[in-house]
Amino acid sequence: DTAVSQTPKYLVTQMGNDKSIKCEQNLGHDTMYWYKQDSKKFLKIMFSYNNKELIINETVPNRFSPKSPDKAHLNLHINSLELGDSAVYFCASNRREETQYFGPGTRLLVL
Amino acid sequence: AQTVTQSQPEMSVQEAETVTLSCTYDTSESDYYLFWYKQPPSRQMILVIRQEAYKQQNATENRFSVNFQKAAKSFSLKISDSQLGDAAMYFCAYRRGGGADGLTFGKGTHLIIQP
Repeated sequence: DTAVSQTPKYLVTQMGNDKSIKCEQNLGHDTMYWYKQDSKKFLKIMFSYNNKELIINETVPNRFSPKSPDKAHLNLHINSLELGDSAVYFCASNRREETQYFGPGTRLLVL
Repeated sequence: AQTVTQSQPEMSVQEAETVTLSCTYDTSESDYYLFWYKQPPSRQMILVIRQEAYKQQNATENRFSVNFQKAAKSFSLKISDSQLGDAAMYFCAYRRGGGADGLTFGKGTHLIIQP
């Protein structure tokens, strides 16, 4: 009964490549998010998305883009990967005003 | 912009003792929520406790309780009867009420449980 799932759990790739991380939630939530956790464990919001609005953290490079094929999915596409993109990426979701539930995280390593 | 500050990078407590983790935040909003999340070495983010700003009563979940001081913008977490499984990173987080804002996190406190 996975509530928020992400694939893959680990991703190792070369600089300059394009990659995607998939996120799915089966909780019927209407809002989904992507967070980045850096090597110092600091968590920062990247995107918030529901069917009405996309909120982008202004510090996120435009190489990162969220794509939502439907309400249960929010995928993260990353173009031209850089060494500094190495981090753990978390997907999360909630119904408005309710608690956010997190996926297990995807550890991305750019070589 | 909202900020969340956790001033204790690391705390250590003996098993079965009580420990308090500190968190302060800054906001001009009146409608907001506060959370404590736990992240064990498995890296899964686990909700520990949640507090609505409009509620005066401090939230409690079993051995976990908060001291919510709205005027002082303080939101500390007390863990009673500490257990080895409590060892983890603990993150304090803030979210504005309404809208689709994400969570604003503090930098975390690494909690060590001494057997």
